[in-house]
Amino acid sequence: EVQLVESGGGLVQPGGSLRLSCAASGFTFGSYWMSWVRQAPGKGLEWVASIKQDASERHDVDSVKGRFTISRDTAKNSLWLQMNSLRAEDTAVYYCARVRGGYGLDAFDIWGQGTMVTVSS
Amino acid sequence: EIVMTQSPATLSVSPGERATLSCRASQSVSIDLAWYQQKPGQAPRLLFYRASTRATGIPARFSGSGSGTEFTLTISSLQSEDFAIYYCQQYNTWPYTFGQGTKLEIK
Repeated sequence: EVQLVESGGGLVQPGGSLRLSCAASGFTFGSYWMSWVRQAPGKGLEWVASIKQDASERHDVDSVKGRFTISRDTAKNSLWLQMNSLRAEDTAVYYCARVRGGYGLDAFDIWGQGTMVTVSS
Repeated sequence: EIVMTQSPATLSVSPGERATLSCRASQSVSIDLAWYQQKPGQAPRLLFYRASTRATGIPARFSGSGSGTEFTLTISSLQSEDFAIYYCQQYNTWPYTFGQGTKLEIK
């Protein structure tokens, strides 16, 4: 079964750090770009970051530049999102998603169940 | 960045009736457009990519159309399980952007 499972969410104070993980299974992880997408409570979807198969290319949304870093390890079938200098507005469910087709810009065809990040004092 | 605008924000339709959801891009995205369905407490589910290509397992009552800046998602005969929030997304240009969503509710 093709599956993505996120972990690492929780409650963190403003200015703090958190590292999210995404474990992939059921497909050749190294053949796909991967992404993080977030959803604030009661709000819509917002793309956060994407990373190429060999990690040679990364893109992220302006609001997280310099604070969040996406990374991956093909040998471990794992994707991560290192989040530093967290703000209240980063509070959201964070989803790990597979980019279909093997190219950087395409639809997200597989999603994890999400992990909740709450930034509050 | 490309701004995606969905209309209406909320659509009330009776089961068995047809629903038409719209998505507009602030500039052309060709056919690099996806539609997602999201139910409460669940992750989004891919319905269409390339504007009109149905994803795996999506019923034929769902159809997608459009190109350039205007796109439509149509559900021909609404079933109870179709009441959800629907998002469009462009993937023509970085950054990826989503519409704000259309909530499809039971009339």
